[in-house]
Amino acid sequence: DAGVIQSPRHEVTEMGQEVTLRCKPISGHDYLFWYRQTMMRGLELLIYFNNNVPIDDSGMPEDRFSAKMPNASFSTLKIQPSEPRDSAVYFCASTPPGGSYTFGSGTRLTVV
Amino acid sequence: SQQGEEDPQALSIQEGENATMNCSYKTSINNLQWYRQNSGRGLVHLILIRSNEREKHSGRLRVTLDTSKKSSSLLITASRAADTASYFCATADTGRRALTFGSGTRLQVQP
Repeated sequence: DAGVIQSPRHEVTEMGQEVTLRCKPISGHDYLFWYRQTMMRGLELLIYFNNNVPIDDSGMPEDRFSAKMPNASFSTLKIQPSEPRDSAVYFCASTPPGGSYTFGSGTRLTVV
Repeated sequence: SQQGEEDPQALSIQEGENATMNCSYKTSINNLQWYRQNSGRGLVHLILIRSNEREKHSGRLRVTLDTSKKSSSLLITASRAADTASYFCATADTGRRALTFGSGTRLQVQP
């Protein structure tokens, strides 16, 4: 099992550009979560899915953020347009019913 | 917003000593979990304690939960330099699947 796979590991982009982060959850895990981690705000839940359906997106900061899960093996988090304050480490995690989270290694996003 | 607040924010000890980290939370929970994060890496699950449990052990880890005080503690015994990391508590509110993470404790174990 390769675990939760996130890509890219690092992303540097200019303000105003579109950024797409990708996540492949563990096969058989029916929950997928996107978190953002910063020094100031710690780990914040952005959105989570159950069986590919968004359940709670109240943590998505603005309309500039959107997330999709077109199938059980793939999810994207898109920021358009990106701003410097979006700079953070973005984590994806998945879990089976009643199980603990397995996190990916994260994507470190820098918006200049 | 963060559910849990951890104490202390940072802890430095010598190898072989015990490390104790505390976590407080605000709402009714299904369970409380502890995770470790090494610098630049994702979080790794350590242990889960359910709301009807008071204490749980896993290797050198001991977790306690006091639901009346809405608090938990993580004890790492006989610490090693490899235990150096940030430790987070996380809670799942009753009826909710998503975890809310605390602010974390940075543990430094000096060899």
